[in-house]
Amino acid sequence: DAGVIQSPRHEVTEMGQEVTLRCKPISGHNSLFWYRQTMMRGLELLIYFNNNVPIDDSGMPEDRFSAKMPNASFSTLKIQPSEPRDSAVYFCASSLGGGIGYEQYFGPGTRLTVT
Amino acid sequence: QKEVEQNSGPLSVPEGAIASLNCTYSDRGSQSFFWYRQYSGKSPELIMFIYSNGDKEDGRFTAQLNKASQYVSLLIRDSQPSDSATYLCAVNIPGNQFYFGTGTSLTVIP
Repeated sequence: DAGVIQSPRHEVTEMGQEVTLRCKPISGHNSLFWYRQTMMRGLELLIYFNNNVPIDDSGMPEDRFSAKMPNASFSTLKIQPSEPRDSAVYFCASSLGGGIGYEQYFGPGTRLTVT
Repeated sequence: QKEVEQNSGPLSVPEGAIASLNCTYSDRGSQSFFWYRQYSGKSPELIMFIYSNGDKEDGRFTAQLNKASQYVSLLIRDSQPSDSATYLCAVNIPGNQFYFGTGTSLTVIP
């Protein structure tokens, strides 16, 4: 199995630009999670989906952030417009279980830098 | 008060010693507990999970859960330099909440 796939691995953009991060979960997993990691705040859960349906987006910092999961094998996290404080590593994770209390498998992450 | 708290370290132990990592959580309703290891520049990877009070052993790793005292710990026996990493504690809180601690940095000295 290829594991969780994320793209791009690195993204550098200017403030105000739209950024789209992509994730392909492990085949057969029915839950998908988006996280953000910074030195200051550690690893924060932004949103998670179960069977392609968003279950909890309370971690999404503000309206500039949106996430979609149009099918079981693809999800996007979009930031529009981007700001320097969005600079972080964004991880996608998937799990086999139907709830949040199951083992999660992380992708390699996308390192976002907003200048 | 943070939902999950860990001592950021760094924690240094000599090779072959036991490394003890601790985590406390605030919500008594927390149901499941996870330990992840994260090497510098890499993604977190699951080491162990525990749901019930007591100890759970897997090779050189032992997770300990004490719900009455609201802490969970990870013991690493016979520590190896390859165990040097940041260890993240994660807790599942009812209401579909999932929180990570900020991690403890462990260095195993050869």
